[in-house]
Amino acid sequence: QLQLQESGPGLEKPSETLLLTCTVSGGSISSRSYYWGWIRQPPGKGLEWIGSIYYSGSTYYTPSLKSRVTISVDTSKSQLSLKLSSVTAADTAVYYCGRQTSAVVTAPFDYWGQGTLVTVSS
Amino acid sequence: QSVLTQPPSVSGAPGQRVTISCTGNSSNIGAGYGVHWYQQLPGTAPKLLIYGNTNRPSGVPVRFSGSKSGTSASLAITGLQADDEADYYCQSYDRSLSGVVFGGGTKLTVL
Repeated sequence: QLQLQESGPGLEKPSETLLLTCTVSGGSISSRSYYWGWIRQPPGKGLEWIGSIYYSGSTYYTPSLKSRVTISVDTSKSQLSLKLSSVTAADTAVYYCGRQTSAVVTAPFDYWGQGTLVTVSS
Repeated sequence: QSVLTQPPSVSGAPGQRVTISCTGNSSNIGAGYGVHWYQQLPGTAPKLLIYGNTNRPSGVPVRFSGSKSGTSASLAITGLQADDEADYYCQSYDRSLSGVVFGGGTKLTVL
């Protein structure tokens, strides 16, 4: 059974760079069959797609975050990473990683991590 | 402001049928991209409920169904149960944004 587990600092200071990782187990992150992505959800609000990556490194990002976001894959560690620079309070959210059902970025997310809450505060 | 528009809330009594709409435009749903639906119970990650407009993943009850017409899609839930009370989100792809888009979410209350 595929499992995804996010990890991160929990609390980040404004203007710093947030780094989150998602460890994939029970399946291969280097499979040619899937995209992998990050989605976030501010407290009490809706879902926001951040970006997706293919095992080859091909990436898509949401326009509003594109200048601050980098998503990468480390196949040797079976990890997906998210870097978000110059964070502000508006970046406070639960961050989820997920697997898309096929090798197209239009695909739905069928597996999700349990999410990690990141609070941006001094 | 989400690219895909959903009603903030819907409600229904146990056993009834409810529908949740998801309205887009010619850059997303109207362009032919598939619509997917998720159920999010409080404090948990979203769960895929419908993919590709009308398809149910294994294990999703037949009470849940999806449809699409033009620039809109709908999720229907029949035989409403208390544990259907959750937030529901639609997802599609927007070609002018070159990315995945979600609806703002709809809170379903079972009366």
